[in-house]
Amino acid sequence: AAGVIQSPRHLIKEKRETATLKCYPIPRHDTVYWYQQGPGQDPQFLISFYEKMQSDKGSIPDRFSAQQFSDYHSELNMSSLELGDSALYFCASSPRWFGTGWAVEQFFGPGTRLTVL
Amino acid sequence: GQQLNQSPQSMFIQEGEDVSMNCTSSSIFNTWLWYKQDPGEGPVLLIALYKAGELTSNGRLTAQFGITRKDSFLNISASIPSDVGIYFCAGPNLSYNTDKLIFGTGTRLQVFP
Repeated sequence: AAGVIQSPRHLIKEKRETATLKCYPIPRHDTVYWYQQGPGQDPQFLISFYEKMQSDKGSIPDRFSAQQFSDYHSELNMSSLELGDSALYFCASSPRWFGTGWAVEQFFGPGTRLTVL
Repeated sequence: GQQLNQSPQSMFIQEGEDVSMNCTSSSIFNTWLWYKQDPGEGPVLLIALYKAGELTSNGRLTAQFGITRKDSFLNISASIPSDVGIYFCAGPNLSYNTDKLIFGTGTRLQVFP
């Protein structure tokens, strides 16, 4: 079965550079979530999109922005990178409306490991 | 805000043993999800629970939605080496009309042959 695709899998950047992470949800999933996971931490919600509109926002820095495109893929743009941004970034997708109710299961991609030097 | 506490924090067991872990919340959840995460990989959904008291199995895994709706339990029977990983409980923050997931603190499982 098709899964969530994230690219790149690994990214190394210098401080103050920018980075763009991409996420391709499972086909027919219209909702995308972004999470950040620091070393030894649980995933923390950043932002989500439903039908190309931002649906919720967590503790996402103002230096980060994201969008969902017409084909439902999403991109997380990170500017003025700081050392503390080094983490695993996960994208998850959900079908949202499951036919009989709202779906709450989120299916995660393999993640992008961002290292800021 | 909502917080999910998992216990134990880590477990070291012999292959073939059964494992039990739990997740507790300070507030009510309407859905409980259990994920397994291997190092450097994304969380993989194991089991989803939707109703208080519900008991659901997935192979050697069994999970229960606590009656109080503030806790959930995951059991793994006859553990094998590939069960090694971090197990997270998670639930959607529906009390704030949002479906973002709140994750528990995780239980790290080590299985020795």
